[in-house]
Amino acid sequence: EPEVTQTPSHQVTQMGQEVILRCVPISNHLYFYWYRQILGQKVEFLVSFYNNEISEKSEIFDDQFSVERPDGSNFTLKIRSTKLEDSAMYFCASSEVGSSGNTIYFGEGSWLTVV
Amino acid sequence: QKEVEQDPGPLSVPEGAIVSLNCTYSNSAFQYFMWYRQYSRKGPELLMYTYSSGNKEDGRFTAQVDKSSKYISLFIRDSQPSDSATYLCAMSVPGRRALTFGSGTRLQVQP
Repeated sequence: EPEVTQTPSHQVTQMGQEVILRCVPISNHLYFYWYRQILGQKVEFLVSFYNNEISEKSEIFDDQFSVERPDGSNFTLKIRSTKLEDSAMYFCASSEVGSSGNTIYFGEGSWLTVV
Repeated sequence: QKEVEQDPGPLSVPEGAIVSLNCTYSNSAFQYFMWYRQYSRKGPELLMYTYSSGNKEDGRFTAQVDKSSKYISLFIRDSQPSDSATYLCAMSVPGRRALTFGSGTRLQVQP
């Protein structure tokens, strides 16, 4: 069964450092997403990406964050100058383009710890 | 009022029981309703998806949407210990891709 894959599974970084989280979405999907889940809290939407541009973003997704599709298979989330409160599980997700709604498939997550 | 509310549990049931999981929401613009299962420290796994009101069945799972009450449910028949996980409801508005999640209900199925 096709799946979204994410690397790294866990990363520890020092406050103020830049982090890049990587994802390989499901191959025939054209919408890509990043969500995050702070420990013990709900899953929160960060950004959606389609046709090489951001289609939607939340208030959380400020100038500290950026996304990129550097090639035909990868989708990345960059967090500049990480803060302690950026510690969370970051989920990449993807979905098909279509009018059937939001059947979005998630990866296993990248656990980011900022120290 | 939170946009999506979900009882955090834990909900503990014996193996074989019928489980009922619920969410309420306040935004009447939500039209797409999803249920995800999440094991500890893993990604959400899509279980069921429904559009607008009505019921949908898939194996042991039944999803119900009552838009007039702003209430959605997931029923699990013949629950198994492997069903022990956190169940997340999620919703979205037509024309938007962002999902709004509930906080999740932790389910424990005792053998």
